[in-house]
Amino acid sequence: RKEVEQDPGPFNVPEGATVAFNCTYSNSASQSFFWYRQDCRKEPKLLMSVYSSGNEDGRFTAQLNRASQYISLLIRDSKLSDSATYLCVVARGRTNAGKSTFGDGTTLTVKP
Amino acid sequence: EAGVAQSPRYKIIEKRQSVAFWCNPISGHATLYWYQQILGQGPKLLIQFQNNGVVDDSQLPKDRFSAERLKGVDSTLKIQPAKLEDSAVYLCASSSFAGAGELFFGEGSRLTVL
Repeated sequence: RKEVEQDPGPFNVPEGATVAFNCTYSNSASQSFFWYRQDCRKEPKLLMSVYSSGNEDGRFTAQLNRASQYISLLIRDSKLSDSATYLCVVARGRTNAGKSTFGDGTTLTVKP
Repeated sequence: EAGVAQSPRYKIIEKRQSVAFWCNPISGHATLYWYQQILGQGPKLLIQFQNNGVVDDSQLPKDRFSAERLKGVDSTLKIQPAKLEDSAVYLCASSSFAGAGELFFGEGSRLTVL
């Protein structure tokens, strides 16, 4: 079993739709959680960190459920520019992103 | 602020040849990572340096891959001899020791082994 698992998709949604991605992790000692975005043939970039209390950044909301070892990302009012691969990342270090493990990503295509 | 620099951007070699990739992290970042990303997969950690010491190289195929960060700044990743399955993008990332966990990636070095 992979340490971090994501539904690969692809998710094809119309503009304005709400879409949710899920991620599960197997190592209960994991302490830090992130979502990264990767555009086609580009490097990954941090989208947002994920906290137990949940956090929101504009149209994006991330949630963490430690008991179920589950992370989610919700995108509201999807834009064409949201089309990308979303990578779930789980780290065992609290600081300096120690030993980060990436999922294989979920691909989102937003269509007009 | 300059980002993570990597070179070369593209490299095509034949199997059994050798190749080296170079990375210069963001100034002041103590931690440097090399990741391998195969098409359709997420990045896989090969090696992590803290200053010039190795923190984790458990997934580095040491019979053919080597990496060094001699002065705690830039780093080199070498593959010798290359295999077909080494075709991938090699991503270098850095982070500050006391950072909130963000990894800053370079644009990557795309390797094709024929």
